[in-house]
Amino acid sequence: GESVGLHLPTLSVQEGDNSIINCAYSNSASDYFIWYKQESGKGPQFIIDIRSNMDKRQGQRVTVLLNKTVKHLSLQIAATQPGDSAVYFCAENKQAGTALIFGKGTTLSVSS
Amino acid sequence: EAQVTQNPRYLITVTGKKLTVTCSQNMNHEYMSWYRQDPGLGLRQIYYSMNVEVTDKGDVPEGYKVSRKEKRNFPLILESPSPNQTSLYFCASSPRDTGETQYFGPGTRLLVL
Repeated sequence: GESVGLHLPTLSVQEGDNSIINCAYSNSASDYFIWYKQESGKGPQFIIDIRSNMDKRQGQRVTVLLNKTVKHLSLQIAATQPGDSAVYFCAENKQAGTALIFGKGTTLSVSS
Repeated sequence: EAQVTQNPRYLITVTGKKLTVTCSQNMNHEYMSWYRQDPGLGLRQIYYSMNVEVTDKGDVPEGYKVSRKEKRNFPLILESPSPNQTSLYFCASSPRDTGETQYFGPGTRLLVL
């Protein structure tokens, strides 16, 4: 079935490194993508989003890249900090009025 | 403070005993949704509501009911809970449809014995 998935279930980095978390989606009709961060014991928290008419969007220390040709989404975190340790989910919206489809998540561990 | 609240945060119950998990948002959002989160399966949508008195099934609606009588509240009802409904539940809301960012509540951890 169609789904949004992540390439790696876990990612370990050193403090100060740049982190890249990847996500592949299967539906070329999807037009909205979101990255969420979920810390232990908390609900998912919005990080950044991107629409299909863009290929890059930057926030504070985060950048989302969208490659529609290969249906690939990535989240880049600059100068990763211990507070960035969490599970990161990508989510996809196929069309307005339908459900967000979430990937299974990548656990980012940052060691100092 | 803009937020989505859920109650209770933790609940242990027995098979067949009806329960309700409440969800409330103070952001005047039209869209609300319930998800369950299970290890290895990620977040899956149970039900959603586009507005008052408008609800629809998500990916895993079996065994659940919802209602949307007021804009701010979206309770999740388990008429006859079963052990396979043991999970972590999240309520979320957004200003319009799912093309807008969804804001999540803190979660309700449910154990059905």
